[in-house]
Amino acid sequence: QVQLQESGPGLVKPSETLSLTCTVSGGSIRSYYWSWIRQPAGKGLEWIGRISTSGSTNYNPSLKSRVTMSVDTSKNQFSLKLTSVTAADTAVYYCARAYYSWLPFDYWGQGTLVTVSS
Amino acid sequence: EIVLTQSPGTLSLSPGERATLSCRASQSVSSYLAWYQQKPGQAPRLFIYGASNRATGIPDRFSGSGSGTDFTLTISRLEPEDFAVYYCQQYVSSPPDTFGQGTKLEIK
Repeated sequence: QVQLQESGPGLVKPSETLSLTCTVSGGSIRSYYWSWIRQPAGKGLEWIGRISTSGSTNYNPSLKSRVTMSVDTSKNQFSLKLTSVTAADTAVYYCARAYYSWLPFDYWGQGTLVTVSS
Repeated sequence: EIVLTQSPGTLSLSPGERATLSCRASQSVSSYLAWYQQKPGQAPRLFIYGASNRATGIPDRFSGSGSGTDFTLTISRLEPEDFAVYYCQQYVSSPPDTFGQGTKLEIK
């Protein structure tokens, strides 16, 4: 059974960089597409971007200038960096898997809350 | 960017009743539409993909229909565990993938 687990600091100061890692277990990270999705408290879902295991990326245009994703196939991990954060970036951050970029998300991590505050 | 509009925002029904949730796209997404269920404190779970295909382990009381711009998720007879928030998602036009704002299905 594939499992995804997000990890990273739960508190980030304004203007700093949010960094999260998703570790995939129970299966290979290869040959899938891996996304980050976030959800502010009490609100809906926002797709941040995706990365393939070849390193190809697509980002949400609304966040593109601040987002960088990377993948480490040797560790079965992929990562998110979001720069210049503000309180508006406070949310639960999920990592998720899609079999192809044109398929929905079939596996999700449990989510990790990141709060932006001084 | 394709905007998905879900209605109603909240649906109040009793167990055993039929639920009909709607998702409308601002332009055609063909059948590249999914439905997710989310319960408090949990990640979303894929229920329907390709507009009408149930994901693994999803009971057959859940059905999806539609194509183009208008889609429906129907729950034929509500069970207590079905009360949750449901989101639709389009994945034909990316970036970005987009989600609807959600429909909260609550117990009446």
